[in-house]
Amino acid sequence: KAGVTQTPRYLIKTRGQQVTLSCSPISGHRSVSWYQQTPGQGLQFLFEYFSETQRNKGNFPGRFSGRQFSNSRSEMNVSTLELGDSALYLCASKDRGSTDTQYFGPGTRLTVL
Amino acid sequence: LAKTTQPISMDSYEGQEVNITCSHNNIATNDYITWYQQFPSQGPRFIIQGYKTKVTNEVASLFIPADRKSSTLSLPRVSLSDTAVYYCLVGESNAGKSTFGDGTTLTVKP
Repeated sequence: KAGVTQTPRYLIKTRGQQVTLSCSPISGHRSVSWYQQTPGQGLQFLFEYFSETQRNKGNFPGRFSGRQFSNSRSEMNVSTLELGDSALYLCASKDRGSTDTQYFGPGTRLTVL
Repeated sequence: LAKTTQPISMDSYEGQEVNITCSHNNIATNDYITWYQQFPSQGPRFIIQGYKTKVTNEVASLFIPADRKSSTLSLPRVSLSDTAVYYCLVGESNAGKSTFGDGTTLTVKP
């Protein structure tokens, strides 16, 4: 099976703009989670979607939002970008099972200038 | 979610066995223990998962004592390419709200 794919891989934006990142999970996986990774804060959970519904949400402001489509593909949006939003954004998919191992994509490197 | 504690960093030499221990005193009955490996600017990669005793796959072994309050990832005969950050994750399956700790930065020297 193909792995988790994320697009774009790199993105440069300026403060105040908005951005949309895309994630395609492994075929058959219905759960998609998003993470933000920065040198100072490490890997932080943003939210998880399952069957088009947000199931869990991390401690991030409302500028961070997401959605999931019927084919399990997911997008996350960040509005009114701030310098501190510069990070590696990771998407992970998992199949519903007793162990629920997550499989991560390569990430999108967002730079806010 | 069970909080995990790992050493911040470890050094080793090529060919040695490396053991990284993770403490998770508040592990719940249904929690699995999962280890991930991450290289710079890449997503974490699943290494191994276990519930109790010992699990072995082609890249690592995972040792879990009877009380399950800790676990040890064992990497046999490490090479330079094993230099990475290793994360121990507990309880991701039930919570759906995964929390990665700081991880252990392993540096393998020639």
